[in-house]
Amino acid sequence: AQKITQTQPGMFVQEKEAVTLDCTYDTSDPSYGLFWYKQPSSGEMIFLIYQGSYDQQNATEGRYSLNFQKARKSANLVISASQLGDSAMYFCAMRPAYSGAGSYQLTFGKGTKLSVIP
Amino acid sequence: DAGVTQSPTHLIKTRGQQVTLRCSPKSGHDTVSWYQQALGQGPQFIFQYYEEEERQRGNFPDRFSGHQFPNYSSELNVNALLLGDSALYLCASSSITVKPNYGYTFGSGTRLTVV
Repeated sequence: AQKITQTQPGMFVQEKEAVTLDCTYDTSDPSYGLFWYKQPSSGEMIFLIYQGSYDQQNATEGRYSLNFQKARKSANLVISASQLGDSAMYFCAMRPAYSGAGSYQLTFGKGTKLSVIP
Repeated sequence: DAGVTQSPTHLIKTRGQQVTLRCSPKSGHDTVSWYQQALGQGPQFIFQYYEEEERQRGNFPDRFSGHQFPNYSSELNVNALLLGDSALYLCASSSITVKPNYGYTFGSGTRLTVV
């Protein structure tokens, strides 16, 4: 079984500042993928960034970077130069990297509500 | 390029009734997954359909059933509605040929309220 823990129910950040959203995970799978999604009030889950468990480098996508520490089982999202439009719920998720029974579902955390202050 | 389309966007049903939610996957995608997101929680996996068959199921009772059509669109049916079924229901599509990191596209969801 896989488990995602997001311990920050809500975060505030000043516009143009950087912010880190925490995510820890637990799994017995040897190979897995970690995802971050943004969910604005419209409800749609928007894919932000992906990290494979065997990737040597931390993933980056524009203003988003993933601070992956495998030994500590953490996959924190860093948003640089925050914008007002970044205000939303952010979810960390994972799934096994293999194909087959039990591998197709994404397991999500409870999310962090980010509020960007002008 | 249309993304994932879900209908209806909002729905109010009475306890004990049955409901059908619909999802059209992103063009080029052949797999559809359904998630339930209760207020203040992360999405929970209901099931996934591929080639018109249920490929994997989460921890949901048999009241939750689904179907996938030859054009890859999908329906989620919930029978004997309970107040606890009130949630945002998200559909996600993916392609069997696309790597997991880019595989999931979500719709905006159907907000179901059971009264």
